[in-house]
Amino acid sequence: AQTVTQSQPEMSVQEAETVTLSCTYDTSESNYYLFWYKQPPSRQMILVIRQEAYKQQNATENRFSVNFQKAAKSFSLKISDSQLGDTAMYFCAFQGAQKLVFGQGTRLTINP
Amino acid sequence: KAGVTQTPRYLIKTRGQQVTLSCSPISGHRSVSWYQQTPGQGLQFLFEYFSETQRNKGNFPGRFSGRQFSNSRSEMNVSTLELGDSALYLCASSLSPGPGDQPQHFGDGTRLSIL
Repeated sequence: AQTVTQSQPEMSVQEAETVTLSCTYDTSESNYYLFWYKQPPSRQMILVIRQEAYKQQNATENRFSVNFQKAAKSFSLKISDSQLGDTAMYFCAFQGAQKLVFGQGTRLTINP
Repeated sequence: KAGVTQTPRYLIKTRGQQVTLSCSPISGHRSVSWYQQTPGQGLQFLFEYFSETQRNKGNFPGRFSGRQFSNSRSEMNVSTLELGDSALYLCASSLSPGPGDQPQHFGDGTRLSIL
């Protein structure tokens, strides 16, 4: 069974700083996708970024980028120039042939 | 384009009752998945529907059921409600099921409280 582990329950940084959220996963599948979702207090789950396992190049979306280490089964999210609006729960997720599996989440607070 | 719409947003029920939650996917999306989110268990997969057929099911008791209609709208039903069913229920849609090449888009969820 696939598992996703986020080892940082909470993180807090100052506005404009760079922050990295960690995620590791376990799977025996070779074709899969990895995602980072953001859930602000408004509770809607928003897709931040996704990575296809067969692509070696790390995905980037504006201030958000990932460090995908396939051999280590690691998938961290880097947020550059953090903004107050980045305050939210962040979930790492894995999807292979079946269902989407989520980690426990990291609560990120951006302080002014 | 309208997003995923879940109704109602809030629901209060008592133990032993049953409840039906509704989800309208993004136009053109044919795959709908349901998740239960609680502080203790996090996000857990309930089931996935595609073309009116249940494609996948999570580890939930038979009290949890769902269906999908020909217009891709989906409902989930929970019978004989228990206190532990209190949760945020999230619905997500995608163009088709599969290993993530069609990412899931989530609704705002239905907050279910059991008294």
